[in-house]
Amino acid sequence: QVQLVQSGAEVKKPGASVKVSCKASGYTFTSYYMHWVRQAPGQGLEWMGIINPSGSNTNYAQKFQGRVTMTRDTSTSTVYMELSSLRSEDTAVYYCARGEVGDYWGQGTLVTVSS
Amino acid sequence: QSVLTQPPSASGTPGQRVTISCSGSSSNIGSNTVNWYQQLPGTAPKLLIYSNNQRPSGVPDRFSGSKSGTSASLAISGLQSEDEADYYCAAWDDSLNGRYVFGTGTKVTVL
Repeated sequence: QVQLVQSGAEVKKPGASVKVSCKASGYTFTSYYMHWVRQAPGQGLEWMGIINPSGSNTNYAQKFQGRVTMTRDTSTSTVYMELSSLRSEDTAVYYCARGEVGDYWGQGTLVTVSS
Repeated sequence: QSVLTQPPSASGTPGQRVTISCSGSSSNIGSNTVNWYQQLPGTAPKLLIYSNNQRPSGVPDRFSGSKSGTSASLAISGLQSEDEADYYCAAWDDSLNGRYVFGTGTKVTVL
């Protein structure tokens, strides 16, 4: 069965970086794009970008350009999302979601940015 | 900042039909298909409808989607208590080199 398992919660100070992982299993990793979506406390869903695990090409939301980097490791079927220059407004749950329609989602990773 | 507009809330009694609207523009809903997600409290979103009106395996046929022009709708017929959740529409947007945009979200309450 398809599973996306994300890394654990993180607490970071303002200005730091965070790298969240999403390990895929149960399907051919390189056959599906992977979205990254975040949700601030009590807020809606916000798209951050998408990566093609096959060719590693990416498309980032304009809001995050210059601060986000999405990468993948085909040997471990894992995608990564790194967000730099963290500020308090980046406190959110970060999700990975498979495919162009997001048919499977990871369990979410809470990133807390606090001094 | 959401590009797609939804009503903040909707409600109904068990067994009723509830409809949620999603309004966009020519660059998103007007030229691309719409997906819908259900988010139960404290859980990750789940794909409910894709390509305007297709249900993934396991989604009850009480849920249906439609699209017309630059708007889309999600209907829940025979409302059940377990349908109490947040619902989001989403679509690809052809502006800004392509981006995936979500609706503002609708909280459905079962009275």
